Amino acid sequence: GDSVTQMEGPVTLSEEAFLTINCTYTATGYPSLFWYVQYPGEGLQLLLKATKADDKGSNKGFEATYRKETTSFHLEKGSVQVSDSAVYFCALTKYSSASKIIFGSGTRLSIRP
Amino acid sequence: GAVVSQHPSRVICKSGTSVKIECRSLDFQATTMFWYRQFPKQSLMLMATSNEGSKATYEQGVEKDKFLINHASLTLSTLTVTSAHPEDSSFYICSAQSKGALDEAFFGQGTRLTVV
Repeated sequence: GDSVTQMEGPVTLSEEAFLTINCTYTATGYPSLFWYVQYPGEGLQLLLKATKADDKGSNKGFEATYRKETTSFHLEKGSVQVSDSAVYFCALTKYSSASKIIFGSGTRLSIRP
Repeated sequence: GAVVSQHPSRVICKSGTSVKIECRSLDFQATTMFWYRQFPKQSLMLMATSNEGSKATYEQGVEKDKFLINHASLTLSTLTVTSAHPEDSSFYICSAQSKGALDEAFFGQGTRLTVV
């Protein structure tokens, strides 16, 4: 079945460091890919998305490119801030009348000042 | 973006009682709503999918008689945890999809349920 695998955390970085969180997927057809962010005590917020191969999603300095050849959607940011500390979920969904979102296990990111 | 409001954000209840959690789409019609459960430091586990006006579809292993889901209108779905036990303590999150954006879901803020 369809699935999402992302790197295990926790990931701890210093402020202004470069961030990569790896995400790969297994799916038939042409899924849409997402990164969601969950700040402490809150629900999920959509961070960025890409709906077809080679699309790049970007938001708040974060980027991820939909790579069909490697079935990947790695999240990157050039210079992280303390406020980026959160849990990040990679996810996919496929177009249908009731599209389920399949989530990865989540990666906890902590940024040291 | 679209707003989904979930209420309450926190609730503490005694064992054996029932708790109702509401999920409302504030500025769009939610044809489908999803209910998730999240254990500490784990990912979201889909519990059930509900379409307006029809019975919810539960994922394998989720007790439908314990977790009652009602999706009575295009803007409201409710999850009732019946006869709650301490092991039901968890973070519950709803999400909603509109007919016009089937590849995107909007999430509520979540409800932290503690059963004592």
